[in-house]
This record gives sequence, structure tokens and C-alpha cells, in this order.
Amino acid sequence: DIQMSQSPSSVSASVGDRVTITCRATQDISRWLAWYQQKPGKAPKLLISAVSNLQSGVPSRFSGSGSGTDFTLTISSLRPEDIATYYCQQAHDFPFTFGRGTKVEIK
Amino acid sequence: EVQLVEFGGDLVHPGGSLRLSCAASGFTLGNYWMSWVRQAPGKGLEWVAHMNVDGSQKYYVDSVKGRFTISRDNAKNSLYLQMNSLRPEDTAVYYCARYLGVTGTRSLGYWGQGTLVTVSS
Repeated sequence: DIQMSQSPSSVSASVGDRVTITCRATQDISRWLAWYQQKPGKAPKLLISAVSNLQSGVPSRFSGSGSGTDFTLTISSLRPEDIATYYCQQAHDFPFTFGRGTKVEIK
Repeated sequence: EVQLVEFGGDLVHPGGSLRLSCAASGFTLGNYWMSWVRQAPGKGLEWVAHMNVDGSQKYYVDSVKGRFTISRDNAKNSLYLQMNSLRPEDTAVYYCARYLGVTGTRSLGYWGQGTLVTVSS
């Protein structure tokens, strides 16, 4: 199975800061990478598909990049409503594994 | 509007069985890949099972192979997860999710609110 490692596991930043979350796959997954946001007590929400395709309604401060094995989710200017846990997921091979998540908090 | 509503979560003893249902509305279930994803209390997301449009391809995470079965009834616009030989480690919120359906992506674009399965004696 393809394993997805995310770092950091948690990050504390100030409003307005740039936040970067990385995700690494144990093998080349091309562009089969998505990012999800999950707020406490809620279902996950798809933010970005195919590495960098921002979903409708997602603020432009979110962006994704990468290819192959290394990927990045960036929040360009952190807002209080971005407090959540973020997960990457590979969809190259079954099982479509998730990373362990990155919890984003406000400093 | 796309909606997914899960039913069937309950408290069950180890070794027991449970069938989860997911009622879809706002789209034709038969046109989309579907999956189940679970989340143990305080833990991350775990992809559990997948089914393609006509049910000819099913995939499972290793930990549930031989115990869980994903199925669908396109006429009823419903997805199911039959769970047998349940273990305490199966305790989780189970989400039904629909793929985006856009070529070049395999992302879970729509999620239900989840249903809690608790396996305990």
C-alpha cells in the first residue's frame, strides 16, 4: 500500500501568517493527490483535487502544488475560520490512503 | 443539491454484525464511484471501501477484507456497508462519500454527516 506522511502533525500560527503543510508519498502518485479540511464535529470537505485544482467556493488563499511524491498545501494568509485538521489523500492505487492529518491552530 | 445521509450506526458486541445505509439525493447514484471512510474517536481518516459504477470493482482496506462488503442499489439510490465479525477497533464514525466525478480526479467531493458504530461488550 502507498503510505502518506504529513508534516507537521500540528502547527500554531498567527492570523495573517503563511502556513505550509507537506505530504509525501512512498511512491510516485503522479497528480492523484487531494486535500481535505475537517473542522471539529464535521464531515471532511474537499479543498483541492488533482494537486492544485481549487474547489468551487474555497478561498483563493488556499493553494496546492507538487507532483510525484512530494506535495504542499499552502494557506497564504491564515484566517480564524481556517482552524481545522487538514488531510492529504492519494488516489493512485487502492486503498486510497490518507495522511495522518495536520492540525492548524491560532497562536 | 447533493445530499448523503447515513443510517444504521449502533452499539454492537464484538463478533456482531451491522449494516450501514447511505441514502443519496440530488444526483443519480448509479453514475458515480462511491466509498466509505471511517474515523475512530480522536483519530484521523481511514479509507475503508470503494465501489465503481456498476459494482464490478470493489476494493477494501486490508483490515476489513473478508468481513465488510460494500454494495449499492442504484434503483433505490442507496449505498450499503455490511459489517460482520466486528471488532472493537472498528469503532468509528463511518462516512459515505461520493467521488467528484470529474475526469482526472479521484477525489471525494461529497460527504454525509456520518454514523457512529461502537463495538463494545
